[in-house]
Amino acid sequence: QLQLQESGPGLVKPSETLSLTCTVSGGSISINSYYWGWVRQPPGKGLEWIGFVFYSGNTFYSPSLQSRLTISVDTSKNQFSLKLSSVTATDTSVYYCARHGTAYGYNDYFDYWGQGILVTVSS
Amino acid sequence: QSALTQPASVSGSPGQSITIACTGTSSDFVAYNYVSWYQQHPGKAPKVMIYDVSSRPSGISNRFSGSKSGNTASLTISGLQAEDEADYYCSSYELTGDVLFGGGTKLTVL
Repeated sequence: QLQLQESGPGLVKPSETLSLTCTVSGGSISINSYYWGWVRQPPGKGLEWIGFVFYSGNTFYSPSLQSRLTISVDTSKNQFSLKLSSVTATDTSVYYCARHGTAYGYNDYFDYWGQGILVTVSS
Repeated sequence: QSALTQPASVSGSPGQSITIACTGTSSDFVAYNYVSWYQQHPGKAPKVMIYDVSSRPSGISNRFSGSKSGNTASLTISGLQAEDEADYYCSSYELTGDVLFGGGTKLTVL
């Protein structure tokens, strides 16, 4: 059974860089059929897509975040990572890592999710 | 970026049916069927209930169904049960590779 687990600091200071890692177990990250992505959810609010990375390193970023965003993959560790720079209080959210299919009309949805990690931006 | 609009809340009694609408403005949303629906219970990760407008992943009850007409997708839950009380999000997978989420609908089972 595929499992995803987020890890990283739960508290980040304003203007600094938020860094999270998602460790994938029970399956390989190096699969043609899937993107590995990040979704966030501010407390009490809705879901926001952040971006995807493919095992080759290709990325897709949310237009609203792309100027501050880097998503990378480390296939040797079966992990992918998120870096969001110049954070403010509005970046306070539960951050989820999740797997999303690449094939339109076939597996084009998030099928496995991590449990989520709350990251608070505060001094 | 285009938005997906959902009602903030819906409610129904056990055994009844409810429908949650999701209205999209992007041309991809109107032209294609890459719409999915997620259920989220408090403190839990979302779970896909419907994909490609009307397909159910393995293990999802057939009480959940989806449809789409023009710029509006809909999720219908029939035979409401107490455990259906949750937040529901529609989502669109755009041809640009972007993913859009609706604002979410809180379902209350009375």
